[in-house]
Amino acid sequence: GAVVSQHPSWVICKSGTSVKIECRSLDFQATTMFWYRQFPKQSLMLMATSNEGSKATYEQGVEKDKFLINHASLTLSTLTVTSAHPEDSSFYICSAMSSASSYEQYFGPGTRLTVT
Amino acid sequence: GQQVMQIPQYQHVQEGEDFTTYCNSSTTLSNIQWYKQRPGGHPVFLIQLVKSGEVKKQKRLTFQFGEAKKNSSLHITATQTTDVGTYFCAGDGGSNYKLTFGKGTLLTVNP
Repeated sequence: GAVVSQHPSWVICKSGTSVKIECRSLDFQATTMFWYRQFPKQSLMLMATSNEGSKATYEQGVEKDKFLINHASLTLSTLTVTSAHPEDSSFYICSAMSSASSYEQYFGPGTRLTVT
Repeated sequence: GQQVMQIPQYQHVQEGEDFTTYCNSSTTLSNIQWYKQRPGGHPVFLIQLVKSGEVKKQKRLTFQFGEAKKNSSLHITATQTTDVGTYFCAGDGGSNYKLTFGKGTLLTVNP
């Protein structure tokens, strides 16, 4: 149980285009989802917290107009990188937490974004 | 803001040797969690420590939470090649379950 999927697993896009990444909890309802960014050989940096039916809470320094987050249902959150630039290239990982799990976050497999 | 420091950044051991990674938070934590990320993979939850002074064991892994709930350690006894990966601690300051990750310790094991 407690499986989180992400789609796509990798994507290459051109500068100026937008990319949408989906995060789904497959076998549980996720009241809260988190979006992280991880640079090579570095730690996970929390970008935003997403709660179903409400606006996402962004961490300091994360542009909310650039990284659009939508948590439309208890099993799906999406991250859209708008007007992507090469410096947005990174590994984006989501995690999901259920009300029944008591703190444990279940991570998705991540999405590798490369902006050319 | 909350900061979580983790050392060492890298550790290379011979198979059978022990390994320890240490985590220190700038603020008192509600709980601390440990994750393992294999090369090319995603973080996988290992354990959560909540109580002051708590010690938990999972086979060869021993996790400790300091009395002040600001530091923690993960100790692996008699490492195996399957232990290879990056071990992250993640502190929960009690604010909406947000985790602050340490930089991680990359463990490599020479067979």
